[in-house]
Amino acid sequence: DAGVIQSPRHEVTEMGQEVTLRCKPISGHDYLFWYRQTMMRGLELLIYFNNNVPIDDSGMPEDRFSAKMPNASFSTLKIQPSEPRDSAVYFCASSLVQNYGYTFGSGTRLTVV
Amino acid sequence: GDSVTQMEGPVTLSEEAFLTINCTYTATGYPSLFWYVQYPGEGLQLLLKATKADDKGSNKGFEATYRKETTSFHLEKGSVQVSDSAVYFCALSDRAGNQFYFGTGTSLTVIP
Repeated sequence: DAGVIQSPRHEVTEMGQEVTLRCKPISGHDYLFWYRQTMMRGLELLIYFNNNVPIDDSGMPEDRFSAKMPNASFSTLKIQPSEPRDSAVYFCASSLVQNYGYTFGSGTRLTVV
Repeated sequence: GDSVTQMEGPVTLSEEAFLTINCTYTATGYPSLFWYVQYPGEGLQLLLKATKADDKGSNKGFEATYRKETTSFHLEKGSVQVSDSAVYFCALSDRAGNQFYFGTGTSLTVIP
């Protein structure tokens, strides 16, 4: 298995632009998680899905953030409009069982200038 | 609520030194405990896990024992290598599987 695949690896965008991050989970994993990592706040859970359905989005910072999972093999995290404080590394992770043995992707390093 | 607390870093060791990174937890019931490792520029990888008291997780020379009496899951390695330089995260999953908590991470640098 190729693992959890995220794209792009790096994204630099200007403030106000829309940013879309992509994730392909491991085939057969029913749970998908989006995390954000910064030096100041560490790892933060933004949202997670079970069988393509969003279960808990309480970690999404504000309405500028949205996430979708149209099918079992693809998810997106969108920021519109982006702001400099959104600069972080965004990780996608998937698991077979809820909250057990996550597999993380390599992350997308987002820089908003 | 449930949580994990791990020792603050950074930790700097010479090659072949003994490593201990402390992790303690607070939980109702009997959680599962994990150590994840993050190498520079990469995502987190599961290093080892333990699901019940007195279990010992081990991988790549690292070990951690689930100690219910001290609510701890300290990570140890007898002889570290330069390639072990990374950030190590302690984590907890509550028994119901409803919540997952990461510690703040401990940065380890091993110098030749």
